[in-house]
Amino acid sequence: DSGVTQTPKHLITATGQRVTLRCSPRSGDLSVYWYQQSLDQGLQFLIQYYNGEERAKGNILERFSAQQFPDLHSELNLSSLELGDSALYFCASSVDGGGWGNEQFFGPGTRLTVL
Amino acid sequence: DAKTTQPNSMESNEEEPVHLPCNHSTISGTDYIHWYRQLPSQGPEYVIHGLTSNVNNRMASLAIAEDRKSSTLILHRATLRDAAVYYCILRDSSNTGKLIFGQGTTLQVKP
Repeated sequence: DSGVTQTPKHLITATGQRVTLRCSPRSGDLSVYWYQQSLDQGLQFLIQYYNGEERAKGNILERFSAQQFPDLHSELNLSSLELGDSALYFCASSVDGGGWGNEQFFGPGTRLTVL
Repeated sequence: DAKTTQPNSMESNEEEPVHLPCNHSTISGTDYIHWYRQLPSQGPEYVIHGLTSNVNNRMASLAIAEDRKSSTLILHRATLRDAAVYYCILRDSSNTGKLIFGQGTTLQVKP
């Protein structure tokens, strides 16, 4: 158990819909990262928040957005869903915002299926 | 982001050592070498990291070439539980902690 929790575990929805994925980081971790894992693209970094502020952006679509709240939990919002958005979405957390050393702890993931 | 090259797959026998290679010929002086692994149906898990010197921890050892253009993750005694995808990642010391994953090496451990 990494200490990172993600809800829900599974999500099935239809094209065009909007969903929210939730992540609670390990106690004391200030950074939250979101990654997407699909069969064709592998594991891709989406976005990072550090202590409530956006720190880095990766291959995140405009239809996707995220935020980190004062209690440090984070939500990833996916809208106008397409079939290709079906994937595993992982959240990870780390103590600080970057640098060289600190490891990231990954949650168990949310499996999103868009029908 | 500097790239890494790993074999797609490797096989090992249980209780034997495993050497997982990684090439990173474009590594810069500030890039740290990180290894993560992903067991089936789980999120990635940190294994080890290093800069220049060889590193050991409870999970594995990391051997880094003198020119830093390659590294090897060493599992001293593979167990069935070590069957996973192993990712070699270069992280720079910039102000973000993002991980850029490649395709990784799928390790199969045979009993």
